[in-house]
Amino acid sequence: DQQVKQNSPSLSVQEGRISILNCDYTNSMFDYFLWYKKYPAEGPTFLISISSIKDKNEDGRFTVFLNKSAKHLSLHIVPSQPGDSAVYFCAASHRRDDKIIFGKGTRLHILP
Amino acid sequence: KAGVTQTPRYLIKTRGQQVTLSCSPISGHRSVSWYQQTPGQGLQFLFEYFSETQRNKGNFPGRFSGRQFSNSRSEMNVSTLELGDSALYLCASSLAQGSYEQYFGPGTRLTVT
Repeated sequence: DQQVKQNSPSLSVQEGRISILNCDYTNSMFDYFLWYKKYPAEGPTFLISISSIKDKNEDGRFTVFLNKSAKHLSLHIVPSQPGDSAVYFCAASHRRDDKIIFGKGTRLHILP
Repeated sequence: KAGVTQTPRYLIKTRGQQVTLSCSPISGHRSVSWYQQTPGQGLQFLFEYFSETQRNKGNFPGRFSGRQFSNSRSEMNVSTLELGDSALYLCASSLAQGSYEQYFGPGTRLTVT
């Protein structure tokens, strides 16, 4: 039972354009959401997070949007750069048990 | 500050054997979590240790176990290895129990033949 779903295994975006990575969740108890980025042969690195009391959080080129009614969040990267090519994991958690549940990841390719 | 280190980086074992993986957290971090990454299932939570106690556990069989030492270093053990245990095992450390901002190590790639 996948509680956090990233339905697009891969995504290709032209350099300089906007990359939009999507994530859906099923558990309405989740109250904190995170995005991680992973390069080959390295562990995931924390990118950005958002609490369920907000609907947007911005950090430089990265913005995460949360739509609680749709149980959907998205990560926007503007403008996309070659170094953004990586696998992006969406993750969610709730305070009751603190486990972080990850999606399966989306591989982002930034095309020159 | 040195990052999270995991040893060994690569390991090949045969079915039925057991294996121990090691993780050294970032200095000052007291929480260590373990994850299994496979192509089909993505990143799955195994367990979290804080102050030498297991605080949280994922849905894995009892063949998967772990421990944490007083210096916060952690080990993960898998007994009676199965082919399906082939995966990348990632360790993540954080300052406190249940902290969402975790710092991951590079992982140990385990291959079971």
